[in-house]
Amino acid sequence: GNSVTQMEGPVTLSEEAFLTINCTYTATGYPSLFWYVQYPGEGLQLLLKATKADDKGSNKGFEATYRKETTSFHLEKGSVQVSDSAVYFCALSGSGYSTLTFGKGTMLLVSP
Amino acid sequence: NAGVTQTPKFRVLKTGQSMTLLCAQDMNHEYMYWYRQDPGMGLRLIHYSVGEGTTAKGEVPDGYNVSRLKKQNFLLGLESAAPSQTSVYFCASSYAPQGRIVETQYFGPGTRLLVL
Repeated sequence: GNSVTQMEGPVTLSEEAFLTINCTYTATGYPSLFWYVQYPGEGLQLLLKATKADDKGSNKGFEATYRKETTSFHLEKGSVQVSDSAVYFCALSGSGYSTLTFGKGTMLLVSP
Repeated sequence: NAGVTQTPKFRVLKTGQSMTLLCAQDMNHEYMYWYRQDPGMGLRLIHYSVGEGTTAKGEVPDGYNVSRLKKQNFLLGLESAAPSQTSVYFCASSYAPQGRIVETQYFGPGTRLLVL
């Protein structure tokens, strides 16, 4: 079945540092890939997505590229801010019915 | 638009009690989902619905029942609560996928449930 593996956190960075959160997946067919973000005390919200190989999703300075050859969708940001502190979830689409399979989440803590 | 709302925000139950969590969306979405979030486990799908009057099991359906009597509402029921059901529950909704393009899921703020 489908599965998503994310790097374990927490990831602790200073403001303006470069961020990478690794995500690899196992899936049949050609899934769509997503990054969701969860701020403290809130529900998840979509950060970015990519629907086919070599697509790059981007939003709010974050970006991720759909790499089919390495089955990866790593999240990057060039310069993080304190307000980026949150839990980040990588996810992929299932076969039919728009279900998603989520990774376990990676907590990011950014200090001033 | 309120988006996806969940009621209640927080609840404490004793083992064996029953309760219903309500999810409502005002975006006219066809699909609705219930997830639970536990530390170190990510989000796991409990049940989902692809339209009014339809429901289906997800990854962890045991101990839960659902109903989708109206398109905008999706109810999650616990008939006899157990401590293992202590969790944060999230509801989500989405448009029906067009072809193979999966639509974005929109999440509610969550319900924190403690079963003693």
